[in-house]
Amino acid sequence: QKEVEQDPGPLSVPEGAIVSLNCTYSNSAFQYFMWYRQYSRKGPELLMYTYSSGNKEDGRFTAQVDKSSKYISLFIRDSQPSDSATYLCAVKDMRFGAGTRLTVKP
Amino acid sequence: DTEVTQTPKHLVMGMTNKKSLKCEQHMGHRAMYWYKQKAKKPPELMFVYSYEKLSINESVPSRFSPECPNSSLLNLHLHALQPEDSALYLCASSQEAGTSGRAYYDEQYFGPGTRLTVT
Repeated sequence: QKEVEQDPGPLSVPEGAIVSLNCTYSNSAFQYFMWYRQYSRKGPELLMYTYSSGNKEDGRFTAQVDKSSKYISLFIRDSQPSDSATYLCAVKDMRFGAGTRLTVKP
Repeated sequence: DTEVTQTPKHLVMGMTNKKSLKCEQHMGHRAMYWYKQKAKKPPELMFVYSYEKLSINESVPSRFSPECPNSSLLNLHLHALQPEDSALYLCASSQEAGTSGRAYYDEQYFGPGTRLTVT
């Protein structure tokens, strides 16, 4: 079983939609969870990281961790075409999920 | 300055060539990393340097040889590569590396990568 599973998509939504990106992880001992955004031909950039359970909000982005179900989510409100990118979840020791390719259409 | 720079942007090399990838950061970070990323796949950690010492080698073949000449520079020396080594090679840095040599909580800054093609 992979340490972190992520649906690779692709996911296409209209501008202004709420986007939900999700990952599951296997090891209940993980406590740090991160979301990276990677534009085409660029390196990943850290969007958010969370420790343990709960929510963390930063502008239009909300990261959520549910340790009971080993599920992590990233919500994007009022999505913009500039949000079009691949979103990667990562758990302890920089193990990445497969990445979800998101396209926001104007 | 929150930038990690990498050179060259693109590299094409034959299987008998020797080449080097370079990475530089001036953020005062003490941990630096090499990742390999194949198309439509997530980055895979290759090496971690902490305080200029190699702390993690993820069972990378010896045809890849990392070097950290000082706290700002990281090189990856390439020799006798195979076509399947063609990928995007990413460098990253972070303030510190956590216990066991991994920065699992520190923000990692990635460079734009070097796109390597082995012919």
